[in-house]
Amino acid sequence: GAVVSQHPSRVICKSGTSVKIECRSLDFQATTMFWYRQFPKQSLMLMATSNEGSKATYEQGVEKDKFLINHASLTLSTLTVTSAHPEDSSFYICSARQGAGGYTFGSGTRLTVV
Amino acid sequence: GDSVTQMEGPVTLSEEAFLTINCTYTATGYPSLFWYVQYPGEGLQLLLKATKADDKGSNKGFEATYRKETTSFHLEKGSVQVSDSAVYFCALVRGNEKLTFGTGTRLTIIP
Repeated sequence: GAVVSQHPSRVICKSGTSVKIECRSLDFQATTMFWYRQFPKQSLMLMATSNEGSKATYEQGVEKDKFLINHASLTLSTLTVTSAHPEDSSFYICSARQGAGGYTFGSGTRLTVV
Repeated sequence: GDSVTQMEGPVTLSEEAFLTINCTYTATGYPSLFWYVQYPGEGLQLLLKATKADDKGSNKGFEATYRKETTSFHLEKGSVQVSDSAVYFCALVRGNEKLTFGTGTRLTIIP
């Protein structure tokens, strides 16, 4: 079945630094990628949607200059958290979709900013 | 807009007990409905889905039936195991739009 590889699974960074999270679709072309954020014991909050080769569409309240999303190819999308602060600590999950097909989720990245 | 309302947790059951996690939705048209499962420290995995009214999705002993008359998609399992402990999310999607998730229900099964 479809697989999305997300890396790193865990990352600890210092406040003020930037962190990049990668999601790769291993056996299909991800025309659309979704990035979610999940707070402890809460549901997933959609941050942005990106289509290959075009700018991401951010949900209301999500800072696009802070959460940079790149979807340069049909198999790779990245989320960069810039100038990270402790309040950015969270679990980030990507999801990929091929055309009108189903959604395949990555395994998530736990970001801790110290 | 579309919304999904899920039974609040946490839910704690003994092994081999019967499980029901309620899910109701609000959406125009005919959405597809899903149950996703999230094991500790992991991403989401599709558990089952149904794409039209009266469809029954099933997987790993779990079942859910798409009930349009009651706008529900309740998750059931006849005999739960410790390995079923996880967070369960009900979700819907219409056409090519984004997934709408419920708040999740944390299930703990005790031996």
